[in-house]
Amino acid sequence: GQQVQQSPASLVLQEGENAELQCNFSTSLNSMQWFYQRPEGSLVSLFYNPSGTKQSGRLTSTTVIKERRSSLHISSSQITDSGTYLCAMEQRPSGSWQLIFGSGTQLTVMP
Amino acid sequence: ETAVFQTPNYHVTQVGNEVSFNCKQTLGHDTMYWYKQDSKKLLKIMFSYNNKQLIVNETVPRRFSPQSSDKAHLNLRIKSVEPEDSAVYLCASSLGLGEYEQYFGPGTRLTVL
Repeated sequence: GQQVQQSPASLVLQEGENAELQCNFSTSLNSMQWFYQRPEGSLVSLFYNPSGTKQSGRLTSTTVIKERRSSLHISSSQITDSGTYLCAMEQRPSGSWQLIFGSGTQLTVMP
Repeated sequence: ETAVFQTPNYHVTQVGNEVSFNCKQTLGHDTMYWYKQDSKKLLKIMFSYNNKQLIVNETVPRRFSPQSSDKAHLNLRIKSVEPEDSAVYLCASSLGLGEYEQYFGPGTRLTVL
């Protein structure tokens, strides 16, 4: 089965509303990463979050390892937040390194 | 400001041909990556190259190989393309593996006819 599951698959908000994006993982991990893909395709890193809460502007990431989940909270959404949000599970098996992505949440913020 | 450069932007080729994509980063980073994003937008790490150590995703077919001349360059060669190789290939770099922010290039879109 899929090791990383993201929900919802898509989300439509009115500008100013908050969003909560979820990522659940089925195996042990080293950390969770969040990425944002703009509608035209460019990718940016948002958070590296092994546990606890991290904030950057209107974005907050919370990872709870023992509950096997990570969330991304977007407050006061703006039209420019539209795009796809991806979580990725980082694993380090036997000195190696893997990054396993979820299928993404497509966010649309309407005026 | 683009600091991770990829060429070409697009490439169309026939099944069985060999292709090569270039990636260069001007950030002084020690780690570079290649990702594949398929038509369903699913992203998969293919290779990471960190301090001359190559880490290969075991699911990557052997016809794919990374080529590095120095830590600023990591090219991707596909020996004999197949239709399922049609995708966007994204290159990225970071200071190191794991907790460092990754910087992505604009991608190379490959279409295999």
